[in-house]
Amino acid sequence: KNQVEQSPQSLIILEGKNCTLQCNYTVSPFSNLRWYKQDTGRGPVSLTIMTFSENTKSNGRYTATLDADTKQSSLHITASQLSDSASYICVAEGGLTGGGNKLTFGTGTQLKVEL
Amino acid sequence: DSGVTQTPKHLITATGQRVTLRCSPRSGDLSVYWYQQSLDQGLQFLIQYYNGEERAKGNILERFSAQQFPDLHSELNLSSLELGDSALYFCASSPRDRGIGTYTFGSGTRLTVV
Repeated sequence: KNQVEQSPQSLIILEGKNCTLQCNYTVSPFSNLRWYKQDTGRGPVSLTIMTFSENTKSNGRYTATLDADTKQSSLHITASQLSDSASYICVAEGGLTGGGNKLTFGTGTQLKVEL
Repeated sequence: DSGVTQTPKHLITATGQRVTLRCSPRSGDLSVYWYQQSLDQGLQFLIQYYNGEERAKGNILERFSAQQFPDLHSELNLSSLELGDSALYFCASSPRDRGIGTYTFGSGTRLTVV
């Protein structure tokens, strides 16, 4: 069964600090790994996309890493800002026989940045 | 504005009723995906359409159905509604059927069944 597990479930940090979110996945066949940011009541917004051959991808203050051998990914946020408060969702994408793609979503890490 | 439009934004209805959620994909995108997000749960994949044809099915109940029209907009029909169907329903679109690509999500429809 395809699964994506994220840790921690929630995190509170002070503004300006760094943090790292973790993701473990079991998706086969594996196509790519995505990180999304979801504000409360809004749709997810893409942060990074990495194929199995990529080890790291940056998007501003967000840096994602991928180890396809251990099936682990992380999202590092540097110099956090209040606007970073959101749920960060790890998504593993796998191809389906017969066509189509399937995204398997983690339940997210709820990040709160405080003054 | 992501370019993916979902209507209505909010919907309150009674158990046993039927509702239709609508999604207009981003211009140029041919694939439409439907997801359900219950409270404190991850997004659950329901169904994918590509250029009018069903491409993949996830954990979609038999009470739910969807279709994609020639103009590429999609509708998700939910019938015989139960309290447990209360959730956020998201639509996403992408340019292709499969492969690396950009998924763009709409803002969702919040369904409350009372």
